[in-house]
Amino acid sequence: NAGVMQNPRHLVRRRGQEARLRCSPMKGHSHVYWYRQLPEEGLKFMVYLQKENIIDESGMPKERFSAEFPKEGPSILRIQQVVRGDSAAYFCASGRLPGLTNYGYTFGSGTRLTVV
Amino acid sequence: AQRVTQPEKLLSVFKGAPVELKCNYSYSGSPELFWYVQYSRQRLQLLLRHISRESIKGFTADLNKGETSFHLKKPFAQEEDSAMYYCALSRPSGAGSYQLTFGKGTKLSVIP
Repeated sequence: NAGVMQNPRHLVRRRGQEARLRCSPMKGHSHVYWYRQLPEEGLKFMVYLQKENIIDESGMPKERFSAEFPKEGPSILRIQQVVRGDSAAYFCASGRLPGLTNYGYTFGSGTRLTVV
Repeated sequence: AQRVTQPEKLLSVFKGAPVELKCNYSYSGSPELFWYVQYSRQRLQLLLRHISRESIKGFTADLNKGETSFHLKKPFAQEEDSAMYYCALSRPSGAGSYQLTFGKGTKLSVIP
C-alpha cells in the first residue's frame, strides 16, 4: 500500500495564478481531510470530504478555496488567484471511517506551496 | 474553543537523558488526545493515542485531566528521536467530522 499520496511535493505559483493540490487516499479509504500549516504554526483543519460529498468545510476560507473528492480520482484542493499569504504546507489525511481509527489518520507528505 | 499549547518550540537534550515534551489543552468536553511525530523529510505519523495507553518507541503520555495536560515522556533519549513532535486534540464537529486541533509543535534535538 503506497499510503496517502500527495502531489506535487512542491508548487510555485505567481500571485493571481491557480494552484491545484492533489491527494490520493490510501486504498480502501473514502474519507479525506485537508489541513494547512502556515510557517511557525500547527496544522489547521480546512475541510473534510467523503466520496462526492463535502461534509465539513468550516475551516476553509470563504473565498478562492474549494475542494472536491470525485467518485473516481484524487481529492483536489483548489486555490484560485493565489496570494502570498497562501504560502504554506498543505496536508491531506485519509481514513476508512469518519472518525479516527485506532491508528488515527494517515497523513500524506504534504504539498509546499510558495507564492511569489 | 479548543486549544492545544506546546510551550517549547525547541528542546535539546543529551543522549540518554530523560525527555519530557509538554502539552496542555483546553476543551470543554472529553478530550481525545494524540501525539504525532514528523521525522526529517518524512510524513506526519501517529505516535500515541491516549485511549490506547500504549508505549511506542519507549514514549508514554498520560492524560491528566486536572492539569489539562498530556505530556510526552521518554526515560532515555536516543539520537533517532530527533524530530518534530505535535500534540493534537480530536473533537467531533456538529457536521459529522472529527477535526484535529494541533499545537505548534516542539522540535526535539538529541545531542550525541
